[in-house]
Amino acid sequence: SQELEQSPQSLIVQEGKNLTINCTSSKTLYGLYWYKQKYGEGLIFLMMLQKGGEEKSHEKITAKLDEKKQQSSLHITASQPSHAGIYLCGATKSTSYGKLTFGQGTILTVHP
Amino acid sequence: NAGVTQTPKFRVLKTGQSMTLLCAQDMNHEYMYWYRQDPGMGLRLIHYSVGEGTTAKGEVPDGYNVSRLKKQNFLLGLESAAPSQTSVYFCASSRDTGTSGTDTQYFGPGTRLTVL
Repeated sequence: SQELEQSPQSLIVQEGKNLTINCTSSKTLYGLYWYKQKYGEGLIFLMMLQKGGEEKSHEKITAKLDEKKQQSSLHITASQPSHAGIYLCGATKSTSYGKLTFGQGTILTVHP
Repeated sequence: NAGVTQTPKFRVLKTGQSMTLLCAQDMNHEYMYWYRQDPGMGLRLIHYSVGEGTTAKGEVPDGYNVSRLKKQNFLLGLESAAPSQTSVYFCASSRDTGTSGTDTQYFGPGTRLTVL
């Protein structure tokens, strides 16, 4: 099965600092998804990447997929307490009917 | 437009008891999924469905059964609950985009299940 490794497992930053979360696959990725989860709640879709070298941004969050499609990064600029939560990367295979394999998640804490 | 809803939100069972978790979506999505989330392990797929009347096994199907009698509902059953099934269960749905399935999955709020 496709395995995804996220790093770091947890991250504590001061408000206003930039941060990066990585997601690495042992195999070439087909679709790569980033989700955010607040404790006790469901997953909120952030972005999906599919092409090598692709980059997408939404507000202060930028996600990138490398050319080899085996690594993705999520970058938050000028972090805010509202960015706190668990960030999960998920990936699909080309014939998977959308079934997602997830990384273990990164817990982000932002201190005001 | 409620999106994906799950009932119940919380449940405590004793070993050997049975229960059914209900997932409902109002987006007319073809595909529906059940995942479980355990600490340090992300989410793992239990079962999924690519249309009304269809079901298929995911990564961790043992001990669970599912049914999709109506397009908008996807039920997850535990016939004889075990402590190892203590987890948070999430339902998700997405549109039919063929075998590639590269479309956003929308998640419900989760059901927190404890088996004593």
